[in-house]
Amino acid sequence: DQQVKQNSPSLSVQEGRISILNCDYTNSMFDYFLWYKKYPAEGPTFLISISSIKDKNEDGRFTVFLNKSAKHLSLHIVPSQPGDSAVYFCAASESEPGTYKYIFGTGTRLKVLA
Amino acid sequence: GAVVSQHPSRVICKSGTSVKIECRSLDFQATTMFWYRQFPKKSLMLMATSNEGSKATYEQGVEKDKFLINHASLTLSTLTVTSAHPEDSSFYICSASTSGSTDTQYFGPGTRLTVL
Repeated sequence: DQQVKQNSPSLSVQEGRISILNCDYTNSMFDYFLWYKKYPAEGPTFLISISSIKDKNEDGRFTVFLNKSAKHLSLHIVPSQPGDSAVYFCAASESEPGTYKYIFGTGTRLKVLA
Repeated sequence: GAVVSQHPSRVICKSGTSVKIECRSLDFQATTMFWYRQFPKKSLMLMATSNEGSKATYEQGVEKDKFLINHASLTLSTLTVTSAHPEDSSFYICSASTSGSTDTQYFGPGTRLTVL
């Protein structure tokens, strides 16, 4: 069964507005979460992360929120720009020294309309 | 839900040997499978795309004679790292798609390769 779920396969947002991408997980042992951004024909690139000791992490226009009780995280992009159009993957892991073992969601395609 | 497994999860080998990593879609047929390599800064690099029954398409800079990919069935793809060297040590992740689209991919848990 999918331990990390992105239930919205696609999302369209007007330029300048907020984009909110959601991710749910089932494994309560996950304590580190990441968002990746992927352009066509490229591998996913790391965007932002958050550990379970925080409920918010901000980096410029990107903010990730973590709700541990709901096992839910979200990525907010504000203001959205056309260059943000890509597929976004969330990923989760249990902390394990020396490993990069992540469980990925299936991705959400974001389209930012000019 | 769609599940992708990888075997082994960890492997340690001596320099010069070959290592095979399996990627299986457990409950669906994967038209296309992707192989990624993860670098220490966490970004994934797409190595190659394989479609069942045909030769894999390798990304620029990836040596196809070193990283042999076989997609013999709709549920199995293998990556063989031939004549492995310490610089090949990395985390290799596969993903599978039912439609060939890269939008929705089901990722495997990854394989940690350490070459001594």
